[in-house]
Amino acid sequence: QVQLVESGGGVVQPGRSLRLSCAASGFTFRSYGMVWVRQAPGKGLEWVALIWDDGSNKYYADSVKGRFTVSRDNSKDTLYLQMDILRAEDTAMYYCATIRGGSSATWYFELWGRGTLVTVSS
Amino acid sequence: QSVLTQPPSVSAAPGQKVTISCSGSNSNIGDNYVSWYQQVPGTAPKLLIYDNNKRPSGIPDRFSGSKSGTSATLGITGLQTGDEADYYCETWDSSLSAVVFGGGTKLTVL
Repeated sequence: QVQLVESGGGVVQPGRSLRLSCAASGFTFRSYGMVWVRQAPGKGLEWVALIWDDGSNKYYADSVKGRFTVSRDNSKDTLYLQMDILRAEDTAMYYCATIRGGSSATWYFELWGRGTLVTVSS
Repeated sequence: QSVLTQPPSVSAAPGQKVTISCSGSNSNIGDNYVSWYQQVPGTAPKLLIYDNNKRPSGIPDRFSGSKSGTSATLGITGLQTGDEADYYCETWDSSLSAVVFGGGTKLTVL
């Protein structure tokens, strides 16, 4: 079954860390770039981070640059998002998705997971 | 404030047609392809349109996309109550080196 399953969300205090995982199955994970997208309660979609299929290039939204790190383990078919120095404004549902398209000009997000909820609160 | 501008809401009656606009600039829509996503509340986003006007397998031809200059448009014909959802445009911004989304448009089928 072709799917992405996020995990690792929960309630965390401001300033603390959390690591999200996105497990892929049913397709050749190492052939796809991957993206993290988040959605704060009642708000729109916000791009967080992006990583190429081989992990050689990474991009981050300004709002998380220096605090979040995207990585992947192609031997485990898993994508990660290490979130450090968490803030209240990082509270959101976090989705992972596969990237299709040959270049940044044509990238689009084809397969999405169901998301994992992160709540940053004291 | 989103880099891409969408109307907050649109509405139309069942069976009618609606369009949703997405306005950007030369560095994003003007320079790259646009995608559209549908999100029913409480569920994950779903790819609706990619490469400005292409539909993934399984998306009915009631959904269409177009792009002109620095604006893109999503069209939905033969509206159904099941089309009620939030719709987002998305593209790459070459100046920001970032993925950008529109603020989202809530479609109500009256």
